[in-house]
Amino acid sequence: DIQMTQSPSSLSASVGDRVTITCRASQSISRNLNWYQQKPGRGPKLLIYVASSLQSGVPSRFSGSGSGTDFTLTISSLQPEDFATYYCQQSYSTPRTFGQGTKVEIK
Amino acid sequence: EVQLLESGGGLVQPGGSLRLSCAASGFTFSSYAMSWVRQAPGKGLEWVSGISGSGGSTNYADSVKGRFTISRDNSGNTLYLQLNTLRAEDTAVYYCAKDKRGGNGDYVFDSWGQGTLVTVSS
Repeated sequence: DIQMTQSPSSLSASVGDRVTITCRASQSISRNLNWYQQKPGRGPKLLIYVASSLQSGVPSRFSGSGSGTDFTLTISSLQPEDFATYYCQQSYSTPRTFGQGTKVEIK
Repeated sequence: EVQLLESGGGLVQPGGSLRLSCAASGFTFSSYAMSWVRQAPGKGLEWVSGISGSGGSTNYADSVKGRFTISRDNSGNTLYLQLNTLRAEDTAVYYCAKDKRGGNGDYVFDSWGQGTLVTVSS
């Protein structure tokens, strides 16, 4: 199985900050990497797919980059509604594994 | 608007069974692969099982292989997950998720339900 490792596991940030979350795969997954946002009590929401494509309806302050084993999710200017947990997920091979999550909290 | 509504969760004893359902609307159900993803209390996401749009292809995580069965009724726009021989570690919220791409899908999940809680305990 491909292991996905996110860092950091949590972070504290202020509204307006630039936030970067990284995700590393245990082997190359090309660009088959997706990012999700989850708020308490709700199902996840797709933000970014195939590493850098913005899902329809998602604000442009979210962006993704990377290929191979190393990927990044960036929020250019953190907004109050962005405080949530973020997960990466590889869609390269079965089982389609997720990272352990990064919780973004209010500083 | 895509809507996915899970049901069928509850409290079950170890070794017991449950059948989860996911009622889909707002899209051509038979055209899209679907998956089940679970989340243990306070933990991260774990993909459990997936099925192609036609229902002809299925796959499973090793942790549930041989115990869980995914299926779908395309005439009724419903996805199912049969859970057998349940263990305490199967306790989780179970989400159904729609694949972004049609056909066999590529396991990019663009719509999710609100989840149904399965608790395995004596």
